[in-house]
Amino acid sequence: GAGVSQSPRYKVAKRGQDVALRCDPISGHVSLFWYQQALGQGPEFLTYFQNEAQLDKSGLPSDRFFAERPEGSVSTLKIQRTQQEDSAVYLCASSTHRGTGANVLTFGAGSRLTVL
Amino acid sequence: GDSVTQMEGPVTLSEEAFLTINCTYTATGYPSLFWYVQYPGEGLQLLLKATKADDKGSNKGFEATYRKETTSFHLEKGSVQVSDSAVYFCARSQGAQKLVFGQGTRLTINP
Repeated sequence: GAGVSQSPRYKVAKRGQDVALRCDPISGHVSLFWYQQALGQGPEFLTYFQNEAQLDKSGLPSDRFFAERPEGSVSTLKIQRTQQEDSAVYLCASSTHRGTGANVLTFGAGSRLTVL
Repeated sequence: GDSVTQMEGPVTLSEEAFLTINCTYTATGYPSLFWYVQYPGEGLQLLLKATKADDKGSNKGFEATYRKETTSFHLEKGSVQVSDSAVYFCARSQGAQKLVFGQGTRLTINP
């Protein structure tokens, strides 16, 4: 596609519910990243895929967070038993190259999660 | 750990004013440096980047120079427009995979 597409754009969940956020990267992009952006803060790294391999998940805040990219294209970020502190915008980004370094990330518009 | 510190906002200027948004970074390794911009309702977009010391990134009238001696990457524009109103994020690379972002600076330009 022309850009990185994320869905849903907005999600309201009751505390304890499970949610799934989808990211459709630019076709052919090798690298895919998930970031979490709390209100008024900069994005914080969650996890990184190179094709279908999850090479870094050091930013996932707890074992309630799980991400996958089974076929090396679309990725899903799943949050189990949501808590209020999970409320944030979840950003997906993709890149043609491996890793970041000097490479440019293309970000999606984000999925805003509100946990009540 | 690695971090990026940005000038706190919000910043409000009149059209055609000179803009500086300060950014400093922790000096571990040899990071690449970036400015990203987030317009209302849109995703983060790369504004400019610099990959080594003394490099100058520029785009849309914005400039930033990679200053190793002061660990800074300040964003400047000589004459801002209303359309520049957005949130600006400074970032550094960390290793091969990650970007570390500052907290963002909200800029509002009044006509």
